[in-house]
Amino acid sequence: EAEVAQSPRYKITEKSQAVAFWCDPISGHATLYWYRQILGQGPELLVQFQDESVVDDSQLPKDRFSAERLKGVDSTLKIQPAELGDSAMYLCASSPSGSGGTGELFFGEGSRLTVL
Amino acid sequence: AQSVTQLDSQVPVFEEAPVELRCNYSSSVSVYLFWYVQYPNQGLQLLLKYLSGSTLVKGINGFEAEFNKSQTSFHLRKPSVHISDTAEYFCAVSEWGTYKYIFGTGTRLKVLA
Repeated sequence: EAEVAQSPRYKITEKSQAVAFWCDPISGHATLYWYRQILGQGPELLVQFQDESVVDDSQLPKDRFSAERLKGVDSTLKIQPAELGDSAMYLCASSPSGSGGTGELFFGEGSRLTVL
Repeated sequence: AQSVTQLDSQVPVFEEAPVELRCNYSSSVSVYLFWYVQYPNQGLQLLLKYLSGSTLVKGINGFEAEFNKSQTSFHLRKPSVHISDTAEYFCAVSEWGTYKYIFGTGTRLKVLA
């Protein structure tokens, strides 16, 4: 069964360091999402891609976060510099094209970031 | 703007007892509704979804949910829970024609032996 791949699963870093997360969506899924989930809370959208284009990055802290999906396939989320408040689970999800919001989101297992 | 409210942050219930997890939403347009489950240190997995038609939706693992448009609710139910149902449950909404999904804050279901 096709899955969304994410790496690393766990990352511990010190504040002010740079961090990067990688996501490979299910083949053929045009829409890709990065969510941040703080412990005990629901996922919050950081950025949404349609193919290689950003559809929504209104909640992305652009002074320190960046995201790209250069060829419309896999994606990278970067944080530089990391702050203590960035400690969270970073979830990647993808959705098939043409679903118009009716389809389910397929989630990866997430990347848990701890900033010391 | 759309929003999702899950009033119960934690729900303890004994094994084999019924359970209901509440979800209310707010939107100025028509929406699609979803319930996801998350086990510790894992991603979210779809339980069920309501797109249109019958307001009672059945999902995996014996869960079902009922869409109530007048009360803007989409409560999740299971007639008899198992220890393995212990997890975090998230209600989510997306507006028709968009690919934007908004999640609630989650309800932690703890099934007691």
